[in-house]
Order: sequence, then structure tokens, then C-alpha cells
Amino acid sequence: GAGVSQSPSNKVTEKGKDVELRCDPISGHTALYWYRQSLGQGLEFLIYFQGNSAPDKSGLPSDRFSAERTGGSVSTLTIQRTQQEDSAVYLCASTLQAGANEQYFGPGTRLTVT
Amino acid sequence: AQRVTQPEKLLSVFKGAPVELKCNYSYSGSPELFWYVQYSRQRLQLLLRHISRESIKGFTADLNKGETSFHLKKPFAQEEDSAMYYCALRITQGGSEKLVFGKGMKLTVNP
Repeated sequence: GAGVSQSPSNKVTEKGKDVELRCDPISGHTALYWYRQSLGQGLEFLIYFQGNSAPDKSGLPSDRFSAERTGGSVSTLTIQRTQQEDSAVYLCASTLQAGANEQYFGPGTRLTVT
Repeated sequence: AQRVTQPEKLLSVFKGAPVELKCNYSYSGSPELFWYVQYSRQRLQLLLRHISRESIKGFTADLNKGETSFHLKKPFAQEEDSAMYYCALRITQGGSEKLVFGKGMKLTVNP
């Protein structure tokens, strides 16, 4: 079946612009995660959604970052007033339910802020 | 503090040689550890998890709570093992969960 999909695959934006990154999880997966993969920094947790519960936003690096998940499916990560340090690969993952043993990752969105 | 450390960034070996990718963790709770792998131009995927004590593609990893380690081993590396390997610790807290990743290690297996 279809895996996690993300769009766009690449995004180049100018400093100060807003960007939206989209994640389509695997159908039926209730848990959704966003991570950021920066050069030399590995993967950092950003935000976690589980069903209708309040999201865990503890990993968001600043108030310029926000995310929502509509209808328990598609998620959008928004970065306002982008900075050069926001340049990274943004990965989305989903699992069937909380506590599942495997997170299924999307291909990522490579964001470049010029 | 919750932390995963992969002390080596790069490892280059010849085909047939043994490999050991080191991973150490810091966590006050009961650890759940995973190895994820990312092959060239592919997405990140689960390789193995400590609770299942399985061997995947010839790789094994044993959780050593005394040494707080979860090293990944393979006795005879193959060229197709060349990839980025990430050790990860699952944190479950207050209704939330996340993976804390190490910074990754690039394994190159030469012919």
C-alpha cells in the first residue's frame, strides 16, 4: 500500500517568507510525528499528534513554527518568517497507534532558505 | 537527560569484514531502543528493535543496561549494507511519545 507521502519534495524560499510543508500519513494511522534533519545534527523531534488528543509541541524550536492535523489525517507544518537556520530536511512519520513498534517515514521535504 | 550517542560518524570496511556500530544512551526510564537505516536515495526505515531480539539482514543488537549500550553488529559486511545508520530511543511521557535519535553513522562497505 501507499506509504507516508510529503510535499513538496524540495522547497527553496527567501529569508522572511512563510512556508507550508504537507504530510499525508498512511491511511488509518492515528499517530503522526514531525522531525527535522539538519546537517550534522541528526534528527530532532518537532511535534507529535495522536488522534484527537492535544499535540505535543515541545520540540518546536520557536514560535515561528506551528503544525496542525486536520481530520486526524493530513498534517501541515508551517514556518513563518523563515531564517537560514531553518534550512533542513523535514521528515514526517506515522504509526498505526501510540506505542507501535515502528514509525513509517516519508521521503522528507528539503527546505532551503536563501 | 535523554540522549543517544553514536560516537563515530564514519566507518569504512571491506566486504566480509565484521562491523560494530556503537550506540550509547542516557535515560532514567526503561529503555526501548531501535536501529533505523537510510540507504542512498531511500527513506528512513526500521532495521531492528531490541524487544524482538531478532536478526535482520544479518545484523543483531543487544541491549546492555549496565553499559547503557545498544551496539549494532554484523559478522560479515556486504556492499549493500552501505548506508546511514541511526540509533533511536523511544521516550513515552505524559501521553506523548517520540524518538530521540543519535546523529547517525555512515557505513561504507568497499568491494
